[in-house]
Amino acid sequence: DTAVSQTPKYLVTQMGNDKSIKCEQNLGHDTMYWYKQDSKKFLKIMFSYNNKELIINETVPNRFSPKSPDKAHLNLHINSLELGDSAVYFCASSPPGQGGEKLFFGSGTQLSVL
Amino acid sequence: GENVEQHPSTLSVQEGDSAVIKCTYSDSASNYFPWYKQELGKGPQLIIDIRSNVGEKKDQRIAVTLNKTAKHFSLHITETQPEDSAVYFCAASGTGTASKLTFGTGTRLQVTL
Repeated sequence: DTAVSQTPKYLVTQMGNDKSIKCEQNLGHDTMYWYKQDSKKFLKIMFSYNNKELIINETVPNRFSPKSPDKAHLNLHINSLELGDSAVYFCASSPPGQGGEKLFFGSGTQLSVL
Repeated sequence: GENVEQHPSTLSVQEGDSAVIKCTYSDSASNYFPWYKQELGKGPQLIIDIRSNVGEKKDQRIAVTLNKTAKHFSLHITETQPEDSAVYFCAASGTGTASKLTFGTGTRLQVTL
């Protein structure tokens, strides 16, 4: 199946732990993103990579570090997890030449920090 | 930066009726306006989009209108069906690799039988 896939779907962890979320797309897209959706459903961009290069870095704590080993993968590592990090994290990608447009989203990772 | 406001936050309609969701944006440089549908437990999915050189676009039962002068755009769903029940998001952005979508706060649409 052609898609944006992210793992895990659910992540429950204790405060202070370090965790990673993985994302892969097989759509041949150049640009990938991480979005955060809070409990009120508000969607906000965190990071954007184009061909493995960071192009958008919103005001996100340094504890969040994205890594793009190749243009088909964008992982998100979170250090020292806090209660406020609980949210649904979406990976997305967009076609070549259409950065910022026509986003294809993964199904999300629901992170719960206890 | 861009600010997108969306109304209403919840909308309940009877099957077969029409639904309208409205958004306003603040940045006059924005020129791309998509709408996303998010079903429970899934990621948002693009359903229709419009660019600033077009005033209206239609795709079967859904249509979007754009008023650049007033900086507002709307989603219209006709002949609503239960499967239209979801959260709908409007968004706005410029174009180019470094552009980013700013989303509205979402509208939960409930289509009742």
